[in-house]
Amino acid sequence: GAVVSQHPSWVICKSGTSVKIECRSLDFQATTMFWYRQFPKQSLMLMATSNEGSKATYEQGVEKDKFLINHASLTLSTLTVTSAHPEDSSFYICSARDGGTGGNQPQHFGDGTRLSIL
Amino acid sequence: AQSVTQLDSHVSVSEGTPVLLRCNYSSSYSPSLFWYVQHPNKGLQLLLKYTSAATLVKGINGFEAEFKKSETSFHLTKPSAHMSDAAEYFCVVSPTDSWGKLQFGAGTQVVVTP
Repeated sequence: GAVVSQHPSWVICKSGTSVKIECRSLDFQATTMFWYRQFPKQSLMLMATSNEGSKATYEQGVEKDKFLINHASLTLSTLTVTSAHPEDSSFYICSARDGGTGGNQPQHFGDGTRLSIL
Repeated sequence: AQSVTQLDSHVSVSEGTPVLLRCNYSSSYSPSLFWYVQHPNKGLQLLLKYTSAATLVKGINGFEAEFKKSETSFHLTKPSAHMSDAAEYFCVVSPTDSWGKLQFGAGTQVVVTP
């Protein structure tokens, strides 16, 4: 089955540090990947849609200069949290859709990254 | 516009008894519907999907869901709960256009007691 690998799984760092999270589709190509944020005991909140070879599309209220997204290849998207502060601490999850761009294809999720900013 | 409502935020069942997780959706066209499970500190795993084929959908780990258009529901069931079923479950609706953003339900926390 389609596998999405996300790395690292856990990051603890000091305030002001920039953190990069990688999302890879291991056995399929993904022209579109998605980045979500999840607060404790809440559902997933879409942050942005990452498009291979073009700029990401950010959801309303998400700072694009804070959350930099790069989708340089068909199998890799990265999310960089720049100058992270404690309020950026959260669980970040990426996903990718296999089998084309149709909405009836399920998205496959990475295992998430727990980000803790001290 | 579309939305999805999970009617129970928390469900507690005894091991070996049936599980029912309720989901209602709202969509202006035939949606694709999914159920995902999330274990602590993990991503989401696809349990099953409905994409306008058979209305009774069988998934992994003994789960199944029935699409009822007249009731706009897509409830998830399992005949016999196992301890490993304890997790968060999300009902998700997807539009049929290409770039479809998923619409997530609020989630249902399932607790399984021995």
